[in-house]
Amino acid sequence: NAGVTQTPKFRILKIGQSMTLQCTQDMNHNYMYWYRQDPGMGLKLIYYSVGAGITDKGEVPNGYNVSRSTTEDFPLRLELAAPSQTSVYFCASSLGGLQYFGAGTRLSVL
Amino acid sequence: ELKVEQNPLFLSMQEGKNYTIYCNYSTTSDRLYWYRQDPGKSLESLFVLLSNGAVKQEGRLMASLDTKARLSTLHITAAVHDLSATYFCAVDIGSGGSNYKLTFGKGTLLTVNP
Repeated sequence: NAGVTQTPKFRILKIGQSMTLQCTQDMNHNYMYWYRQDPGMGLKLIYYSVGAGITDKGEVPNGYNVSRSTTEDFPLRLELAAPSQTSVYFCASSLGGLQYFGAGTRLSVL
Repeated sequence: ELKVEQNPLFLSMQEGKNYTIYCNYSTTSDRLYWYRQDPGKSLESLFVLLSNGAVKQEGRLMASLDTKARLSTLHITAAVHDLSATYFCAVDIGSGGSNYKLTFGKGTLLTVNP
């Protein structure tokens, strides 16, 4: 009963490095979302997808890219990491409505 | 643009006391969710409110939705230490262009003291 699985759980990047945060769900949900959570700021939507091959920007997309080649996977790519991208990243999925969240990836850019 | 405001943002309570957390939102919606987050953990769904007048209860927590006032409340009855967490409300204006995106409040950090 995995639900939404994110990897890695923790990562430290140097400024200018790139990385991909992985997200997989096994609930056959069409909708998937990436959020970032900064201290005291709630969650902000980075990108979302309504199905395989369809993605769109959320509130804070700059510095990130996504792809959705399958229903299950929705990776988030950081290009040229910057200190402002230090945050906790959550992936979520839904059928349209209640969203189910992964455990999160804690990322530090130094 | 949909705005969601929670208050208070910080709440320190004594065990056994009652209190209410408020969630106001700026755009018509009848879909509201409450989540709980423990420190360093993910978000756990508490309540799903999908119509005006909806009321849901689980243990010492009760959530309600008034879509006309654009207000949801999360009422805590006889608080216990285990309820210490951050509580988020999130509003969804449904499909028709929004694609079920959630807009979150900033969260209410609840601390229940003995």
